[in-house]
Amino acid sequence: SQTIHQWPATLVQPVGSPLSLECTVEGTSNPNLYWYRQAAGRGLQLLFYSIGIDQISSEVPQNLSASRPQDRQFILSSKKLLLSDSGFYLCAWSVAGQGRGSYGYTFGSGTRLTVV
Amino acid sequence: DQQVKQNSPSLSVQEGRISILNCDYTNSMFDYFLWYKKYPAEGPTFLISISSIKDKNEDGRFTVFLNKSAKHLSLHIVPSQPGDSAVYFCAVNYGGSQGNLIFGKGTKLSVKP
Repeated sequence: SQTIHQWPATLVQPVGSPLSLECTVEGTSNPNLYWYRQAAGRGLQLLFYSIGIDQISSEVPQNLSASRPQDRQFILSSKKLLLSDSGFYLCAWSVAGQGRGSYGYTFGSGTRLTVV
Repeated sequence: DQQVKQNSPSLSVQEGRISILNCDYTNSMFDYFLWYKKYPAEGPTFLISISSIKDKNEDGRFTVFLNKSAKHLSLHIVPSQPGDSAVYFCAVNYGGSQGNLIFGKGTKLSVKP
């Protein structure tokens, strides 16, 4: 069966420090991968999605970047965190070409990032 | 501008009664609609979906209704249970090979014993 792992679960980082959040998927090949953020009082905002290795699309301009060095690995990064980067970050995957299907995405358990 | 709107940020219901969560969307070309449930500090989990060719889909205590003319989607939970207390997100699939989902802001449901 397919599983998605996301870590760390919580993170407190000072302003200006770098960030690296990692997400891996097991049990499937060539998944579509996504990074979402849920900020306080807001819904789920799509940050990045990837349909293959080194193929990253950004939905919104921001202080973050994403990389996909391996088929089932998706990394969210920042060189210098801002206070506004605080939020709950979620990684998700879907079957390639079938994200529109009845089950949509499978989400990881999320990372609570607090920038202080 | 929001393409998916959940206008009620919160809803409180008595155990055993019906919970109705609402969602409005703007684009009549959306063809797949989903509901996700999210507990605090966890990722959302898929709950139920409906295709635009249907107007109702039922799964146990959960029923989703789609009114295409009104561009309105609703989730009914009956009977509501305290374990249903969570944030519910409406999502629409706007197609493309990546099948990206657009989520509403969520409605926090509280079911009181």
